[in-house]
Amino acid sequence: QQQVKQSPQSLIVQKGGISIINCAYENTAFDYFPWYQQFPGKGPALLIAIRPDVSEKKEGRFTISFNKSAKQFSLHIMDSQPGDSATYFCAASIGGFKTIFGAGTRLFVKA
Amino acid sequence: NAGVMQNPRHLVRRRGQEARLRCSPMKGHSHVYWYRQLPEEGLKFMVYLQKENIIDESGMPKERFSAEFPKEGPSILRIQQVVRGDSAAYFCASQTMGGTDTQYFGPGTRLTVL
Repeated sequence: QQQVKQSPQSLIVQKGGISIINCAYENTAFDYFPWYQQFPGKGPALLIAIRPDVSEKKEGRFTISFNKSAKQFSLHIMDSQPGDSATYFCAASIGGFKTIFGAGTRLFVKA
Repeated sequence: NAGVMQNPRHLVRRRGQEARLRCSPMKGHSHVYWYRQLPEEGLKFMVYLQKENIIDESGMPKERFSAEFPKEGPSILRIQQVVRGDSAAYFCASQTMGGTDTQYFGPGTRLTVL
C-alpha cells in the first residue's frame, strides 16, 4: 500500500517530442505528489509537485496531470530537449513527511 | 545560500568496518531525512530526524544502522560492521519545517564495501 509504481523504466524521445511518464499509487492518504529529476552523480532535485485537489499543474514545459479517482498521475515534458536527459522519479507523501519514491524512468532525448 | 552538504562524497570500506556519513542541512533547516539508493532503483526512506530527536526510523534496518542529529553539528548516519549489501548511494534531504516544505537533497555519499 505504500508503493508508488512508475512506468516506463526507460524512454527514448526525439528532440522536440513529448515525454510522458506515468505513476500509480494505492494509499489514498497520500496528499503530496512531487516529481524529481536526477542527473548522474547528483542528488534528486524537485521539478514540480501537485496536491490532489488540483487535476493539472503546469510549469514551463513540465505538466503534471492528476487523476484522483484512478489514483494515477503523470509527468508530461513538452518540446523535450537533450538537456532533459536524466532519471525522473515520481513520489508521494503524507503531509510532506517521509517520501515514497517510484523506481525511476531513465529518459534519453535524441538530438 | 549553500545547499545541503554531504561528506564524504565517496567512501570505501572493507567488510566489518564502520561507515560514518555526514549531512549538513541548508541554513535554517531543522529537519533531515536519510534515503538509500541502490543502483538502478529509486530512493528508499530510512529515517527522519529533527534536532536531537528521531521522529521516524521505520525505514532503517534494526541492526548496525543508527542516525543522529545533534543540537550542534551535522546529522550522522552510522553503519557498523558494513557488509557488501550496504554498498549504495546515501542521500540526505533537509526541510525548513517538517512536512510543510520542499525537501532539498544533498549530492549523496557513495559507499562501496569491498
